Amino acid sequence: DQQVKQNSPSLSVQEGRISILNCDYTNSMFDYFLWYKKYPAEGPTFLISISSIKDKNEDGRFTVFLNKSAKHLSLHIVPSQPGDSAVYFCAGLYNNNDMRFGAGTRLTVKP
Amino acid sequence: DAGVIQSPRHEVTEMGQEVTLRCKPISGHNSLFWYRQTMMRGLELLIYFNNNVPIDDSGMPEDRFSAKMPNASFSTLKIQPSEPRDSAVYFCASSSYPGAGGDEKLFFGSGTQLSVL
Repeated sequence: DQQVKQNSPSLSVQEGRISILNCDYTNSMFDYFLWYKKYPAEGPTFLISISSIKDKNEDGRFTVFLNKSAKHLSLHIVPSQPGDSAVYFCAGLYNNNDMRFGAGTRLTVKP
Repeated sequence: DAGVIQSPRHEVTEMGQEVTLRCKPISGHNSLFWYRQTMMRGLELLIYFNNNVPIDDSGMPEDRFSAKMPNASFSTLKIQPSEPRDSAVYFCASSSYPGAGGDEKLFFGSGTQLSVL
């Protein structure tokens, strides 16, 4: 039962361009949505989050957009840098600490 | 702060053997999670504890899997008997519950790469 879906397993972009990673969810009870970044041989680390009552949250080069009616969120990285190359996981949070993740999208930023 | 500590980093075992994965959460955190990462399902929640009490173990795939948290600073995930399809990376994560303003963040360990031959 995948409550969070990331349908693109991989994405490749040129350095300096925009990266857009997408995520869909089915659970209407999620209170927050979070993005985590994972490098090889390391655990995921928190990147950015958004409350379910907002439609946008920005932190430096990273912006997350939420469309509740479509049950869709996206992560924008502008400009993309080679160091952003990693696997990005989308997650939904409910009951204050029950967090469900998607399958992840591998981002490659080419110099 | 040492972060979440998992051991071992790598485990290679033969089918049918018992496997025990260990986790030490961040000091002061009262929620602990076990996730499994596979190519097909990504990060899959197996079980989580609040204040050492299991809250939701619906993600535990079979009775072969069991998890314990005897105290606030230690948890184990056991697979007995192990099967080749259990091969995956197993992550432990911890957090403070309830969080401030609902802005929860999980802190992950580096994971245990399990290979069952």
